[in-house]
Amino acid sequence: DAKTTQPPSMDCAEGRAANLPCNHSTISGNEYVYWYRQIHSQGPQYIIHGLKNNETNEMASLIITEDRKSSTLILPHATLRDTAVYYCIVRGTGTYKYIFGTGTRLKVLA
Amino acid sequence: EPEVTQTPSHQVTQMGQEVILRCVPISNHLYFYWYRQILGQKVEFLVSFYNNEISEKSEIFDDQFSVERPDGSNFTLKIRSTKLEDSAMYFCASSPNGLAGDEQFFGPGTRLTV
Repeated sequence: DAKTTQPPSMDCAEGRAANLPCNHSTISGNEYVYWYRQIHSQGPQYIIHGLKNNETNEMASLIITEDRKSSTLILPHATLRDTAVYYCIVRGTGTYKYIFGTGTRLKVLA
Repeated sequence: EPEVTQTPSHQVTQMGQEVILRCVPISNHLYFYWYRQILGQKVEFLVSFYNNEISEKSEIFDDQFSVERPDGSNFTLKIRSTKLEDSAMYFCASSPNGLAGDEQFFGPGTRLTV
């Protein structure tokens, strides 16, 4: 089973920031938090990942709480093309696999 | 930007037939993976492969499945005798070194219809 909990769906207005939460209360010290998204039935697309510190790249920002039990993916200026299912995944040493949950279906509204 | 490619994009086969799904991982990556997604369901891990050996596999990856890196660029998934329930999107992925902080890059998928 997935080690993360995400809301099933969210809406966001185009041009506004989309903040997608993820709960991973059982995360252990060596486990990273990854975010991927899937548009229709395309292959999952890597967005960002982090261990303890907040991270930012050209696509998004990842905010991890100090206790690491939850995180938020921020898309700073959502566009219609950001409409997708967003997956929060926790993975550490000892396994190569990602365990995907059901994710959050983000709909960006014009 | 380098990417994972997969062929064919859609494969139609009859029950009991063998199929081979092909993937070209990103060239300097060392770890390779197969996942599948049955329509409307979650993405599921099948197998990981490193140094010409399976490094991890799921319960789904039974004797009907096999993986191979036949040359320096291709990575294949073979299903020996397809069943109706094998109908799914199959995604190949690769990563540089398989470590915990390593990201996997996915291909566009092959839709298998049995």
